[in-house]
Amino acid sequence: KAGVTQTPRYLIKTRGQQVTLSCSPISGHRSVSWYQQTPGQGLQFLFEYFSETQRNKGNFPGRFSGRQFSNSRSEMNVSTLELGDSALYLCASSLEGGGRNNQPQHFGDGTRLSIL
Amino acid sequence: GENVEQHPSTLSVQEGDSAVIKCTYSDSASNYFPWYKQELGKRPQLIIDIRSNVGEKKDQRIAVTLNKTAKHFSLHITETQPEDSAVYFCAARFQYSGTSYDKVIFGPGTSLSVIP
Repeated sequence: KAGVTQTPRYLIKTRGQQVTLSCSPISGHRSVSWYQQTPGQGLQFLFEYFSETQRNKGNFPGRFSGRQFSNSRSEMNVSTLELGDSALYLCASSLEGGGRNNQPQHFGDGTRLSIL
Repeated sequence: GENVEQHPSTLSVQEGDSAVIKCTYSDSASNYFPWYKQELGKRPQLIIDIRSNVGEKKDQRIAVTLNKTAKHFSLHITETQPEDSAVYFCAARFQYSGTSYDKVIFGPGTSLSVIP
């Protein structure tokens, strides 16, 4: 099976712009979770989608949003970009999600977002 | 709120020695504890996980122990090799019965260096 695929791998934006990141889960996985990874804060949970519904959400402002399509692919959008949004954005897929039923999460390579 | 602490933040060992990383979690509702290894510039990879009904699990040179009473779990790597050098993340699944609240929270990471 193909692994979790994230596009693009690298992105450079300026403050105030918006950005959309994409994640294709492993075939058959219905849950997609998004994480922000920074050197100082580690892996911070953004949100989780399952069957096109946001099921859980972390402590991020409303500028961070996402959605999931019927084929389980997910997109994450960040509006009005700030310098502090520079990070590696990782998505992870699992059969059920959030460790539910103890199914492990598998990560993509991430999108490295740099804000100038 | 839910929290996962991880120690030490950095660890250097001589090749062939053992390495131990310890994590504590805040809520007894946790029942699933995965460990991830992230090499520089790569995605986090699941290396081992443990369910709450098990006290110890071993896979070749890697073992994880869980003490639910004390709410802590540890990763043990024996006979370390240079390729074990990476950042290791522990995580805990937080789920609250009767709700849809279910998420995996990560520790801040341990940077392990194995010196040849």
